[in-house]
Amino acid sequence: EAGVAQSPRYKIIEKRQSVAFWCNPISGHATLYWYQQILGQGPKLLIQFQNNGVVDDSQLPKDRFSAERLKGVDSTLKIQPAKLEDSAVYLCASSLIARVFPTDTQYFGPGTRLTVL
Amino acid sequence: GENVEQHPSTLSVQEGDSAVIKCTYSDSASNYFPWYKQELGKGPQLIIDIRSNVGEKKDQRIAVTLNKTAKHFSLHITETQPEDSAVYFCAASTPFYGGSQGNLIFGKGTKLSVKP
Repeated sequence: EAGVAQSPRYKIIEKRQSVAFWCNPISGHATLYWYQQILGQGPKLLIQFQNNGVVDDSQLPKDRFSAERLKGVDSTLKIQPAKLEDSAVYLCASSLIARVFPTDTQYFGPGTRLTVL
Repeated sequence: GENVEQHPSTLSVQEGDSAVIKCTYSDSASNYFPWYKQELGKGPQLIIDIRSNVGEKKDQRIAVTLNKTAKHFSLHITETQPEDSAVYFCAASTPFYGGSQGNLIFGKGTKLSVKP
């Protein structure tokens, strides 16, 4: 079974530029997550989708970050304009379904390492 | 909201020794506790998880224990090997119906080094 795919793997941009990341979850997984992982820290949730609807975006800096999941499969995360503090690894994860008890297992992609100069 | 503390931040052991990593959580409603291993340049990989209805779970050299009363859980790796060297993260999650979205809250990680 193919895992979570992400691209690009690395991106270097200057501050105030825009950038987009792409994620393709495991086939059949209804729930998709975007996490931000700053160096030396654990992943922090940015946004959670259930199919193509947003379940939780309370931690997403909406003035500069946006995300969409058209057709309930692939997803893109965009930053515009980027700031120095956005330098991090952006991880995508998926799970079969999250709205059941207990919480379902999340599978992570390899991440995109973003450097903002 | 949930807060997860993880200790130690770094751990160095000799090959063949055991390694123990401990985490505490704050929300008594949390009911799912996964452990992830992250190698350099890769995404976190689930190695073992435990749900609140059991106190211990084992998978070959890896075991996790959960103390709901004290709100802490631990990862135990026996007979460590150099390939166990990585950063390990614990996480906790509350069920969706508990008011949260069932999201994972991660600890800050433990860098484990296994010396040959």
